Amino acid sequence: EVQLVESGGGLVQPGGSLRLSCAASGFTFSSYAMSWVRQAPGKGLEWVSAISGSGGSTYYADSVKGRFTISRDNSKNTLYLQMNSLRAEDTAVYYCAKGKAARPNDYFDYWGQGTLVTVSS
Amino acid sequence: EIVLTQSPATLSLSPGERATLSCRASQSVSSYLAWYQQKPGQAPRLLIYDASNRATGIPARFSGSGSGTDFTLTISSLEPEDFAVYYCQQRSNWPEFTFGPGTKVDIK
Repeated sequence: EVQLVESGGGLVQPGGSLRLSCAASGFTFSSYAMSWVRQAPGKGLEWVSAISGSGGSTYYADSVKGRFTISRDNSKNTLYLQMNSLRAEDTAVYYCAKGKAARPNDYFDYWGQGTLVTVSS
Repeated sequence: EIVLTQSPATLSLSPGERATLSCRASQSVSSYLAWYQQKPGQAPRLLIYDASNRATGIPARFSGSGSGTDFTLTISSLEPEDFAVYYCQQRSNWPEFTFGPGTKVDIK
């Protein structure tokens, strides 16, 4: 059974940093692209970032480019999102999502339950 | 940027009725469109991919159609567990994924 478990969310001040983690199990982690997708309170879904199965290619939404860094450790079956220079508008539930195939531009067939990031002073 | 527009914003129906949800793209996305279902407090679930293919384990009452700029998600007969928010998503304009604003299907 595929499982994705996010952690690392919390309250952070504007300008601060936070690192999210997503522990994966139930599939060959290194064979699939992974993404982070966020949802602001009461709002819709916004794709944030994606990474190829090998970790060699990364992609970002314009709204986070230069501030967020996605990475993965295939030996630990874990996905990360390093978030720097956080802004109030980054407040959201952050979901880890598994790509349906190896290519990074595929749909998301499994999602974690999300971790809440609140940026506020 | 490809903008996805969903209509209606809210659809009020009774169990057993047919639901028809629309997603329109600002430019052609070919067939590279998916539909997700999200219930309150839960993560989204993939229903349909590449416009018309049901994801693993999705009941046959869910179907998708369309290509280019106009897409439809149809739920043939609403079950109580189908009342939720539905999002469309395109992957045509990589590296840019975009989601529509969602359609809420609620109980009439």
